[in-house]
Amino acid sequence: DQQVKQNSPSLSVQEGRISILNCDYTNSMFDYFLWYKKYPAEGPTFLISISSIKDKNEDGRFTVFLNKSAKHLSLHIVPSQPGDSAVYFCAASAGSQGNLIFGKGTKLSVKP
Amino acid sequence: DAGITQSPRYKITETGRQVTLMCHQTWSHSYMFWYRQDLGHGLRLIYYSAAADITDKGEVPDGYVVSRSKTENFPLTLESATRSQTSVYFCASMWGSTYNSPLHFGNGTRLTVT
Repeated sequence: DQQVKQNSPSLSVQEGRISILNCDYTNSMFDYFLWYKKYPAEGPTFLISISSIKDKNEDGRFTVFLNKSAKHLSLHIVPSQPGDSAVYFCAASAGSQGNLIFGKGTKLSVKP
Repeated sequence: DAGITQSPRYKITETGRQVTLMCHQTWSHSYMFWYRQDLGHGLRLIYYSAAADITDKGEVPDGYVVSRSKTENFPLTLESATRSQTSVYFCASMWGSTYNSPLHFGNGTRLTVT
């Protein structure tokens, strides 16, 4: 059973607008969440993370929101740029030595 | 160059053959991982290693063997390749804690089993 779910396989957004990528999880032991970005023919690269003791973390154009009661997190990209077009993976970990469990990914397309 | 490198980038092999995918990192990271990426499944953990000579199974270990005699190398062997093992394989490494050291991935090996 999937512990980390990204229910939208794809998302298309106009350049300059906000992109919102969603992720749900089922394991209440998860206490650290990360987003990775992946371009074709490359490995995933770390984008932003959030600890379960926080509800928001911001880094430039990227903000991650965590709603623990709903077991839901989201990644906001504002403003979206064509270079943001990639597959975004949500990942979660239980404990500092826990393995990362990844979602299936959401393919974001930002149109000029 | 510093970083994590995987070889080969592309590999075609036949069913039943043994094939080894190589992974080398120059950061002296303690942890190393092998993931496979398949359409509709995202990234799934095959095996991981917390240190040299310490390995453990992940979510999908069947049909794979790993070893870690040196900290910097973590080869993945398919003992008898099957078509279901056609996938993109990613190696990753991490210093010691998910909280402080996100996974760093290599660029992947695309394996096709015919």
